[in-house]
Amino acid sequence: AQSVTQPDIHITVSEGASLELRCNYSYGATPYLFWYVQSPGQGLQLLLKYFSGDTLVQGIKGFEAEFKRSQSSFNLRKPSVHWSDAAEYFCAVGYSSASKIIFGSGTRLSIRP
Amino acid sequence: EPEVTQTPSHQVTQMGQEVILRCVPISNHLYFYWYRQILGQKVEFLVSFYNNEISEKSEIFDDQFSVERPDGSNFTLKIRSTKLEDSAMYFCASLPPRRENQETQYFGPGTRLLVL
Repeated sequence: AQSVTQPDIHITVSEGASLELRCNYSYGATPYLFWYVQSPGQGLQLLLKYFSGDTLVQGIKGFEAEFKRSQSSFNLRKPSVHWSDAAEYFCAVGYSSASKIIFGSGTRLSIRP
Repeated sequence: EPEVTQTPSHQVTQMGQEVILRCVPISNHLYFYWYRQILGQKVEFLVSFYNNEISEKSEIFDDQFSVERPDGSNFTLKIRSTKLEDSAMYFCASLPPRRENQETQYFGPGTRLLVL
């Protein structure tokens, strides 16, 4: 069965510092991978997705993620965080573009001034 | 840019009451989904709907839940007899016609349901 693990429940980084949020998935074939961001009380915004091709994908708001098949990982990175990046980040996986999306438990990002 | 819309944004109901959550997917989309997120927890898949029938449902989606596309534009989730544990944010999503298997689900803003 598909599953997604986000090992970090809460991360705090200083404004301007780099960020990496970890995500590992379990799925036999090449998965469809997503990162979503959710501000408190708000909906889900898609940051980026990986379906195939180049394993380094660029998203909105300066985020990028790298698919590493050998490590079953899809970590999210940003070179310099801004206070507005404080939110909950969810990694997610599907087995096709139309399948259900399985979400990880999320990583809450706090920004230190 | 077209958006998925959901109404109401918030709903408070008494335990045992029926609720209907409404979603208007993007107009040319063919696949529809409901997800829920209990406060402080992850988003969970409930059901997917295509060609006027359920294509997949989770263990959460028991006989108390039903979905319908009554008029070609709305997509509804009905909970027949609400329980306290149904309190959650419910997200609707829709997907455009599949051409190259590169499409992405578009999520609505959610309906926050509180069962008292």
